[in-house]
Amino acid sequence: DVKVTQSSRYLVKRTGEKVFLECVQDMDHENMFWYRQDPGLGLRLIYFSYDVKMKEKGDIPEGYSVSREKKERFSLILESASTNQTSMYLCASGQGLNEQYFGPGTRLTVT
Amino acid sequence: GQQLNQSPQSMFIQEGEDVSMNCTSSSIFNTWLWYKQDPGEGPVLLIALYKAGELTSNGRLTAQFGITRKDSFLNISASIPSDVGIYFCLAGTYKYIFGTGTRLKVLA
Repeated sequence: DVKVTQSSRYLVKRTGEKVFLECVQDMDHENMFWYRQDPGLGLRLIYFSYDVKMKEKGDIPEGYSVSREKKERFSLILESASTNQTSMYLCASGQGLNEQYFGPGTRLTVT
Repeated sequence: GQQLNQSPQSMFIQEGEDVSMNCTSSSIFNTWLWYKQDPGEGPVLLIALYKAGELTSNGRLTAQFGITRKDSFLNISASIPSDVGIYFCLAGTYKYIFGTGTRLKVLA
């Protein structure tokens, strides 16, 4: 079975803090994705990566950056957390246009 | 960003009833995926479709890739209380587009 894990299920941070969300997949997938999910807005793509050290902006990249130093790991970074970044963050991995497999999510609260 | 039209938005049904939902778009896609998401959890892949007209089942779930490649349908037969959750579609060509989700509630 494909396994996508995220470093934290729940996270509480203060405004202005630097936040790291980690995602690891064990299927040697080329593609990895970061989404945020908000009520009424559905899932929105923040960034994706199609190879190590490669990244592409999604629909809402502002305020975020990413890092992919190893194939299995994709990190989402909030340089200076703000309250409007309180959300559910979902990582996913996949191969080509085949299935995307999601992690359990990280519920981030910025106070 | 673009989203797929998914209907219905929500539905309440009695246990044992069949459920149907669909996703439609004005664009053509090569892949349709259906997911279920429980509260506070990540989405879980239910069915993947890769060919126009393809009909695929997974237990009580059946999904079809529309012949025009612009839509897809998901049916759940004989619903049970654990079917409750949000179902959404995901369609892809060179990028993925999400449906708006169908919230299903099953009354025992």
